Amino acid sequence: GAVVSQHPSRVICKSGTSVKIECRSLDFQATTMFWYRQFPKQSLMLMATSNEGSKATYEQGVEKDKFLINHASLTLSTLTVTSAHPEDSSFYICSVAGGGTDTQYFGPGTRLTVL
Amino acid sequence: QQPVQSPQAVILREGEDAVINCSSSKALYSVHWYRQKHGEAPVFLMILLKGGEQKGHDKISASFNEKKQQSSLYLTASQLSYSGTYFCGTSTSNTGKLIFGQGTTLQVKP
Repeated sequence: GAVVSQHPSRVICKSGTSVKIECRSLDFQATTMFWYRQFPKQSLMLMATSNEGSKATYEQGVEKDKFLINHASLTLSTLTVTSAHPEDSSFYICSVAGGGTDTQYFGPGTRLTVL
Repeated sequence: QQPVQSPQAVILREGEDAVINCSSSKALYSVHWYRQKHGEAPVFLMILLKGGEQKGHDKISASFNEKKQQSSLYLTASQLSYSGTYFCGTSTSNTGKLIFGQGTTLQVKP
């Protein structure tokens, strides 16, 4: 399967600041990446689909101006949480799809805590 | 719409079997199964495509009933390492976009 990395693995920030999370596909070129958010003991909720070279597609209820996604290359997508608030605290996970199959491979996740 | 998994939780002794079900109200293109351990990312188990197939490796297998829009994950002779939360992810097209069920927590005891 695909090898996906995320950075940072854990971040603590103050309310009102912005946080950038990187998702990298290490062993193949990913035209599509997905961003999920997972609250404790809950399911993975799809936030947006990130397409290389074009605008991301956001799910209903996800504020595109708050969660900025950039997919500038075939190996890197970034999610920026702007003006973070405590309710944005969550586990953010990216996944990579491709390599000739529909399988999604997940990165290790980023634990965001907003104080 | 989110698929529904059942049961929500199950406790087993090592060596026992378990079945986890995933149902959708929509016509499905594919069903994906993942296992997630606490604090970690989900790990891919298998994908089943439209056409009603069955798959398996080692002691974990799955089936997909396209007509009923249901999939089942079978865990036989469970091991301690099987403990975790199992999620099914469903897609209604080949876009790759998945909607995940609420998860089934499996605990295997010695």
